[in-house]
Amino acid sequence: DARVTQTPRHKVTEMGQEVTMRCQPILGHNTVFWYRQTMMQGLELLAYFRNRAPLDDSGMPKDRFSAEMPDATLATLKIQPSEPRDSAVYFCASAFDRGDNEQFFGPGTRLTVL
Amino acid sequence: GENVEQHPSTLSVQEGDSAVIKCTYSDSASNYFPWYKQELGKGPQLIIDIRSNVGEKKDQRIAVTLNKTAKHFSLHITETQPEDSAVYFCAATDSWGKLQFGAGTQVVVTP
Repeated sequence: DARVTQTPRHKVTEMGQEVTMRCQPILGHNTVFWYRQTMMQGLELLAYFRNRAPLDDSGMPKDRFSAEMPDATLATLKIQPSEPRDSAVYFCASAFDRGDNEQFFGPGTRLTVL
Repeated sequence: GENVEQHPSTLSVQEGDSAVIKCTYSDSASNYFPWYKQELGKGPQLIIDIRSNVGEKKDQRIAVTLNKTAKHFSLHITETQPEDSAVYFCAATDSWGKLQFGAGTQVVVTP
């Protein structure tokens, strides 16, 4: 059963703490996206990778956010230090090769920063 | 960059009736237009997509139409059922794959 997995599913933390979210893309997919969903901004693209190389992270606040793909089976999104305005649901999605092929979304990580 | 507008923001329909959601986009380079359905507590799931070389596509009760000249595309759901209740998002992208999403439409199907 091929699906994108994300951990943790829920995270509550205090302002200033480091948060790391992990994503395992579907096996064989070489393109990985990170999205953030809030009521106010909707679904926003933060960053994406192809063949583990970052292609675009213009949607990401560079001073506190970082995204990496240590290997083909793991993508990470890190926030350091976290702030209350980072509270949102963070989704990872993967696709085969091109982003205009179907993007499969994970279940998301619901982050609450107090 | 791309800007996608989606209407309406909420849509209430009687079971069995049709639902129509409309989107417009701004970037003439966009060539891929997916529609996603998001149920509560879950990630968006692709339900249908259309590419710029096609004007219409249908999959059972769901159809999408695309008017490239006017830069708008629509989702049509016929014979709605309670399980169609969800938030629907349209999106547009070019071949780089940077999806720009609409704001979403909350669809409620009442029995």
